Amino acid sequence: ILNVEQSPQSLHVQEGDSTNFTCSFPSSNFYALHWYRWETAKSPEALFVMTLNGDEKKKGRISATLNTKEGYSYLYIKGSQPEDSATYLCASAPSYNTDKLIFGTGTRLQVFP
Amino acid sequence: GAVVSQHPSRVICKSGTSVKIECRSLDFQATTMFWYRQFPKQSLMLMATSNEGSKATYEQGVEKDKFLINHASLTLSTLTVTSAHPEDSSFYICSAPLGPGQTQYFGPGTRLLVL
Repeated sequence: ILNVEQSPQSLHVQEGDSTNFTCSFPSSNFYALHWYRWETAKSPEALFVMTLNGDEKKKGRISATLNTKEGYSYLYIKGSQPEDSATYLCASAPSYNTDKLIFGTGTRLQVFP
Repeated sequence: GAVVSQHPSRVICKSGTSVKIECRSLDFQATTMFWYRQFPKQSLMLMATSNEGSKATYEQGVEKDKFLINHASLTLSTLTVTSAHPEDSSFYICSAPLGPGQTQYFGPGTRLLVL
């Protein structure tokens, strides 16, 4: 994998459903993985920064895991709510000596009441 | 959390004019800020790294004379799109890390439309 890729591109779920999306990144060139939540007309909101293989982080109903050896991260949302509707972006930081981020195209989540 | 503001949020200009976009870190100092551009249905693409007190570093394919960056203080970076053309129409967004390797905080972005 040369770029950061996210799937699916979009997702529609019912309120209360749990969901997850994937972020794939180049494992050979990796320092940290960032997840952001981006609502329309607002600033992207930082969710997690993960660096270690096997890392698992949680913030309320949202959690993320990281596999640096195979180059993927999962984001999980438990019991989705309409306010979770947003685009979820992941970004790879390929080097420890720069804060440059390489973004995926995002997963657009819509939660219906 | 830390706050980054960006101004203006939206601008429409005529072809050939220059447009300045400001990015401010409101409650922290940022020696480095980043400028990204996003075309429809594409990812955020890094354009340049803005360095306080020194020249910006540009990504491959980004014209430094077209996109002038100034980072004159620890809380303000500006991006000037010079002699804008319709193909420069895009969404421009800035970010600033709290510190090296730390979370980056984003502005809300600027939508530029060049007629």
